[in-house]
Amino acid sequence: AQSVTQPDIHITVSEGASLELRCNYSYGATPYLFWYVQSPGQGLQLLLKYFSGDTLVQGIKGFEAEFKRSQSSFNLRKPSVHWSDAAEYFCAVGFISSGSARQLTFGSGTQLTVLP
Amino acid sequence: NAGVTQTPKFQVLKTGQSMTLQCAQDMNHEYMSWYRQDPGMGLRLIHYSVGAGITDQGEVPNGYNVSRSTTEDFPLRLLSAAPSQTSVYFCASRYGGGNTIYFGEGSWLTVV
Repeated sequence: AQSVTQPDIHITVSEGASLELRCNYSYGATPYLFWYVQSPGQGLQLLLKYFSGDTLVQGIKGFEAEFKRSQSSFNLRKPSVHWSDAAEYFCAVGFISSGSARQLTFGSGTQLTVLP
Repeated sequence: NAGVTQTPKFQVLKTGQSMTLQCAQDMNHEYMSWYRQDPGMGLRLIHYSVGAGITDQGEVPNGYNVSRSTTEDFPLRLLSAAPSQTSVYFCASRYGGGNTIYFGEGSWLTVV
C-alpha cells in the first residue's frame, strides 16, 4: 500500500533563511507527487506537482521541489522564507485505485513557523 | 467559475443528529471525493465517485453516506453524528483525464 511520510512535524526558521521540508513516499509505481499549503482556517492550495519529466519542479510563491527516485523523496525547498509562508504543508502522492480513480494519500503535515 | 464549493463552512452538531455537507463543482469534473483532516493524520479519504451514479468507499467510510445523482454535486451525509466525526472535511474534484485534484475551502464540523 502507498504511504507518505513527512518526518518533521514542526519546523521553525528565521525570515530570509532557506527552507527544506522533507517528504518520503512508498509506492510501487511512478507516483504523481504534490505539495499543498494550508493557512490557518483556510483550504488547501496547490504549490506544485510532479508527474514526469524534469525532476526539479517549480511552483508558486517561489517554492520548488525535487523528485529523487532513488531516495523515494520529494522535498520542498525555498531559498528565502517570508513571514507569510508560515502555514502547514502537506505532501501527497496520487495513485490509481479501482475504477481508475486517482486519489491522494497525504502525509501528516509539517507546521512551519517563521521568526521575524 | 467558482471551482469546488462546500457548504456550510462551520457547523456544530449534537451527538446523534444527522446532517449533510454539500459539495458542488462547476468544472464538469467526473471524479469527486471527500476527505477528512485530523491533527497529525493528514487527510484521509472517506468516499469517492468516478461519475454520476457511481460511488465507492475510501479509507474511513464508516458513519458516512454519499450519493452522486448529478455530475456537479456530491453530498456527504452523517446519519448519526458522533464526537469522533469532529473534523475538517474537504471535498475535491478532478477532470477525468487529469491528475491534479482541486479542493474546496473546507467544512469545520464539531460534534458535541
